[in-house]
Formats: sequence, structure tokens, C-alpha cells
Amino acid sequence: AQSVTQLGSHVSVSEGALVLLRCNYSSSVPPYLFWYVQYPNQGLQLLLKYTSAATLVKGINGFEAEFKKSETSFHLTKPSAHMSDAAEYFCAAGVGSGSARQLTFGSGTQLTVLP
Amino acid sequence: NAGVTQTPKFQVLKTGQSMTLQCAQDMNHNSMYWYRQDPGMGLRLIYYSASEGTTDKGEVPNGYNVSRLNKREFSLRLESAAPSQTSVYFCASSSSLGAWTDTQYFGPGTRLTVL
Repeated sequence: AQSVTQLGSHVSVSEGALVLLRCNYSSSVPPYLFWYVQYPNQGLQLLLKYTSAATLVKGINGFEAEFKKSETSFHLTKPSAHMSDAAEYFCAAGVGSGSARQLTFGSGTQLTVLP
Repeated sequence: NAGVTQTPKFQVLKTGQSMTLQCAQDMNHNSMYWYRQDPGMGLRLIYYSASEGTTDKGEVPNGYNVSRLNKREFSLRLESAAPSQTSVYFCASSSSLGAWTDTQYFGPGTRLTVL
């Protein structure tokens, strides 16, 4: 079964610093991969997705992620953190087809941005 | 265009009580989903509906039932609530279950506490 591991349940960065949120997946078949963001008391919003086109995926709000098959990773980065980036981030993987298709989510990483 | 709406936003139940969580989408999407979110566990799929008239179990279906009332509405029912069902419940929809390139759009969630 597919699983998604997010290293670090809490990450703190200073405003203006690099943001790096880690995600690894377990699958012999490269899955479709997603990053979602959840602001307090809101639903999840898609940041970006990898669907086997380009390995470097650009998303909203200046975020990007790189798919590395050799490392089974899909880490999320942003060059310069902003206070408004403080939120919880979820990595998700999708495998399967037809009625067996499901998204598997990681446990989430809470990002704190320090002034 | 409200996207995905959920009612109620908050609910407190006593053990053994029943209730129905409502979800509606106005994006003419074919597929709809119910997830639960628990601390440190990410989101887990309870049930999904690939299209109007069909429903399928997800990862954690026990204790729940669903109804795809029409293309817009997908409800989740707890027949006899248990404290283990205390969670935040999210409804989501996507254009089609058939393509991972389709984004899932999430509602704002229902916070349920079972005493």
C-alpha cells in the first residue's frame, strides 16, 4: 500500500528564510503527488501537483516542488518565507485507477514563520 | 460560486446519538469524497462517490454511511456516534475520479465532538 511520510511535524523559519518541507513516498510505481496547504479553520487548498510531466513543479504563492524518483521524494520549497505562509502543509500521493483510486495523505507539517 | 459547502460547522453529540453531515458543491463535479482529519494522522478517506448513484468505501468506513443524493450533494451519516469519531470532517469534490490531473476541492470542514 502507498504511504506518505512527512519528516518534521513542526518547522520554524524566519521571515525571508528558505522554506523546505520534506515528503517521501513509498511506491515502486511513481504516484501522482500533491501538496496542499491548510490555513487555520479552513479546508485544504491545492498548492501544486506532479502528474509525470515536468519534475520541477511550480505552484501558487511562490512554492515549488521537485520530484526525485531515485530518492522517492517530493520536497516543497520556497526561497523566501512570508508571514502569510504560516499554515499546515500536507503531502499526498495518488495511486491506482478506476474505483481503486485513492489519495493517501501524510501526517502534515505545521510551518511557523518567525518575524 | 461557493465551491464546496458543509453544514454544520460545529457539532457536539453524546455517545449513541446519530447525525448527518451535509455537503454540497456547485462546480458540477462528478466525484465527491468524505475525509476525517485527526491530529498527527493527516486525512483519511471514509467514503467516496465516483459519480451520481455510486458510492464506495475508503480507508476508514466503519461506523459511517453515505448517500449521494444527487450530483450536487453527498451526505455522511453517523448512526450511533462513538468518542472515536471525534474528528474534523472534510468533504471534497473533483471533476472526475478518472484522472489524477483533476484537483480535489475541499470544504471548510465540520468539527465534531462525541462525548
